[in-house]
Amino acid sequence: DQQVKQNSPSLSVQEGRISILNCDYTNSMFDYFLWYKKYPAEGPTFLISISSIKDKNEDGRFTVFLNKSAKHLSLHIVPSQPGDSAVYFCAASLYNQGGKLIFGQGTELSVKP
Amino acid sequence: DTGVSQDPRHKITKRGQNVTFRCDPISEHNRLYWYRQTLGQGPEFLTYFQNEAQLEKSRLLSDRFSAERPKGSFSTLEIQRTEQGDSAMYLCASSPRDYGYTFGSGTRLTVV
Repeated sequence: DQQVKQNSPSLSVQEGRISILNCDYTNSMFDYFLWYKKYPAEGPTFLISISSIKDKNEDGRFTVFLNKSAKHLSLHIVPSQPGDSAVYFCAASLYNQGGKLIFGQGTELSVKP
Repeated sequence: DTGVSQDPRHKITKRGQNVTFRCDPISEHNRLYWYRQTLGQGPEFLTYFQNEAQLEKSRLLSDRFSAERPKGSFSTLEIQRTEQGDSAMYLCASSPRDYGYTFGSGTRLTVV
C-alpha cells in the first residue's frame, strides 16, 4: 500500500513561473512532512519540511502547504529557475518511529529557460 | 565534515554472488539508515541503527540481507545470493536526531 503518493511523474514549467508539486497521503497519524530534491547520480538532499501542527512553511523561494483535512501537501517554487530541474520527493514520518521516512514516487521537474 | 560516504558507487555482480556495501556516516551522527530505490520509485526504508543497535528492519529486508554497524560508526549492508530483483540504488543516510537526514550518493547495484 502506497501511503504517500505523488500522482504526477513529471512537470514542465517556464523559467520565472511558479512550480507546484503535489503530494497526497493516507495515514492521518503522520506528524512530519519533508520535501527532498534529487539530481541524477546523487543522493536526495533536504529542501523544506513542515510539522503537522502548521499549515504553511516558507524558506526563500520554497513554500510548503499542508492541508490535513484533505491529507494533501504541496511545494511551491517561485520563481522557478533552470537549476531547480530535478526529481522532487515528498516524505512523511510518524512520531516516535526513529525518524523513518515514507517517500512518494517522485515528480521530475523540468524548468525551461 | 565530508558528508555521508558510500562505497562502491557502482557494483555489477552475477546472480547468486554475495555483495557488501559500506557507508561512512557524518561522524557525530548517531543514527544511520539504509534505503533502497528502484527506477521510478521513491526510496524505501530497509533498516536503521542508533549507535550500534539495529532498532528496526523492514519486511523488505529478507533473510538474504544483513546490516551491521559494529562500533556505532560505519555500517555495512550485505546481500547474499543476489537475485535480479535486488538491482537498485542502495542509499545510506545519517542523522543526529529525527528528520535531520544527510544522504550519501548511493551504491548502484546491477545483478546480471
